[in-house]
Parts: sequence; structure tokens; C-alpha cells
Amino acid sequence: NAGVTQTPKFQVLKTGQSMTLQCAQDMNHNSMYWYRQDPGMGLRLIYYSASEGTTDKGEVPNGYNVSRLNKREFSLRLESAAPSQTSVYFCASSDYFRDSWETQYFGPGTRLLVL
Amino acid sequence: EDQVTQSPEALRLQEGESSSLNCSYTVSGLRGLFWYRQDPGKGPEFLFTLYSAGEEKEKERLKATLTKKESFLHITAPKPEDSATYLCAVRQGGSYIPTFGRGTSLIVHP
Repeated sequence: NAGVTQTPKFQVLKTGQSMTLQCAQDMNHNSMYWYRQDPGMGLRLIYYSASEGTTDKGEVPNGYNVSRLNKREFSLRLESAAPSQTSVYFCASSDYFRDSWETQYFGPGTRLLVL
Repeated sequence: EDQVTQSPEALRLQEGESSSLNCSYTVSGLRGLFWYRQDPGKGPEFLFTLYSAGEEKEKERLKATLTKKESFLHITAPKPEDSATYLCAVRQGGSYIPTFGRGTSLIVHP
């Protein structure tokens, strides 16, 4: 039981390059999330998927796209990377229990540097 | 205006010196308050979930409490290995999305 896994762990991009961050969970959770974490800003939600087949924008979606490939996998794509997207990206998953959306479980993160 | 405010931003303690971290929130219809621990270079790790005022949960040297406006994370006789950033998050009723505070960075000196 690996929980939430993310690939890659580190990535360096040049401005304008594209890349996809991959996330998978093995807890059979319905909901998945992508966050970015910057110093002094805390965790900010980029996109989320409440269930397979649905995706919605979070607080900071500009410059990103997502795909909920199946119940296990949720990818984040940067079409044209910008230095402002230099950050640490976390994927998380959670499920519905007791009439409430439950605890989120986080992956180890992807550290992205855009030059 | 932040819906979730954590204080202090940073806290330095001596080993054995007990203290508390605060998480105050302004959301209505609270459907869960979550505490996480985050070590440098790692993802947040779940500690506790609290659902209603008066609820308390404990794990080793940590104890989380909840009132109608805030939560406290009490650390009793901390050790250097308790050094980490502690994050608080809240969920409103009907929302898929939790709101996170900016965290408290705790350093425990031996």
C-alpha cells in the first residue's frame, strides 16, 4: 500500500517548455487534488476532481490543465512553463465518510524549477 | 481576509518545554478541522481530525482540542524530533475543498 505517489520528484524546465506531473493513489479514494506550496503562501489549490470524470478549478488554476485518467490517476499539465510556476507541487486524495469529505492524504511532492 | 489563521508563525522551544499552537477559523458550518505535520522536503502527514466543539484527540506528545472558533495543538515535553511545520485545515459543509492555514514552524532545541 504505497498511498499517494508522484512522479517526477524533481524537474528543471526552461521557460515555454511543457511537462506533465503524474499522481496515483491506491486507497480507492474518489477525490483527488493538486496543490502548489510556496514560501509564505501555504498550500494553494490548483485543481481538484471530486470523482472520476469530473474536474474543477481551485484557487490558482491559470497556466495549468488536469486530467482524471481513471479513479487512481490524476495528472497536472503545464503547457508553457513560466518562472512563476517554480514551486513544490503536491497531489492529495480523500474520500467521503460520515456525511463529510474526509482527511486528505498527500504525496511526497514534485519540486519544479522553471528557468 | 484569511478564513484560517495559524499562530505563531514560528516557535522555538527547548526540549521539554511544553507549549501550544493555535488555529483560528471563521468558516461557518464546520465539517472537520484537520491537523497535519510537514517535515522539510516531504508532503503533509495527517495527525488528527476534529468534528465538534469540545472534542479532543491525543497522539504521543500531541493533543488537539477544538472550540467553536479555534483549535489548539498542545505539545507536551517536546523532543527535537517534533520539529516540523504544523498545518491546520478546515472544511465547510458541502465543500469539497478544505482551506489551509499557512502553518506554524516549530523548532525544538536539545
